Amino acid sequence: GAGVSQTPSNKVTEKGKYVELRCDPISGHTALYWYRQSLGQGPEFLIYFQGTGAADDSGLPNDRFFAVRPEGSVSTLKIQRTERGDSAVYLCASSPEGNSPLHFGNGTRLTVT
Amino acid sequence: KQEVTQIPAALSVPEGENLVLNCSFTDSAIYNLQWFRQDPGKGLTSLLLIQSSQREQTSGRLNASLDKSSGRSTLYIAASQPGDSATYLCAVRPGDYGQNFVFGPGTRLSVLP
Repeated sequence: GAGVSQTPSNKVTEKGKYVELRCDPISGHTALYWYRQSLGQGPEFLIYFQGTGAADDSGLPNDRFFAVRPEGSVSTLKIQRTERGDSAVYLCASSPEGNSPLHFGNGTRLTVT
Repeated sequence: KQEVTQIPAALSVPEGENLVLNCSFTDSAIYNLQWFRQDPGKGLTSLLLIQSSQREQTSGRLNASLDKSSGRSTLYIAASQPGDSATYLCAVRPGDYGQNFVFGPGTRLSVLP
């Protein structure tokens, strides 16, 4: 079946602009995660959804970052007033429930110029 | 705060060799540990998941062990092949049932033909 899909695969934006990154999880997966990965480092946790609710948003770096999952499937990560330090690969993962392996998408490479 | 380290950072071996990758974590109160593989420009693929009550898991040529009390896990790859070349990451899930998985920085493996 289809895996986790992330769009766009690449996004270049100017400093100060607003961006939205989309994640389509595997159908039926209730758990959804957003991570951020910088070059040469492991992914850094941002936020976790169980169904429609953000069960843990402790990894969001500041209030410029926000994520939603209104119908318990597709999720959107929103970044306001982007800064050059936001440049990274943003990864989305899903799993059937909390104790199962994570399935990752290929990520969105965000570049803020 | 949980910290995960991986040694070595990079490893190059000739085809056919058996090899061991190491993962260490500072807080032994974990729920499970996962090993992932990441190919350049791609997301992560789950290889093995070990529950905190387990000592090891095997899948094909891969064997992962877990020593929770000492904060260590190893990934053993038998009869390495050029197709095994990738970055290997470990991630731990907190023991308080949190979903904020903590990743190590990865070991970049090159298997030379």
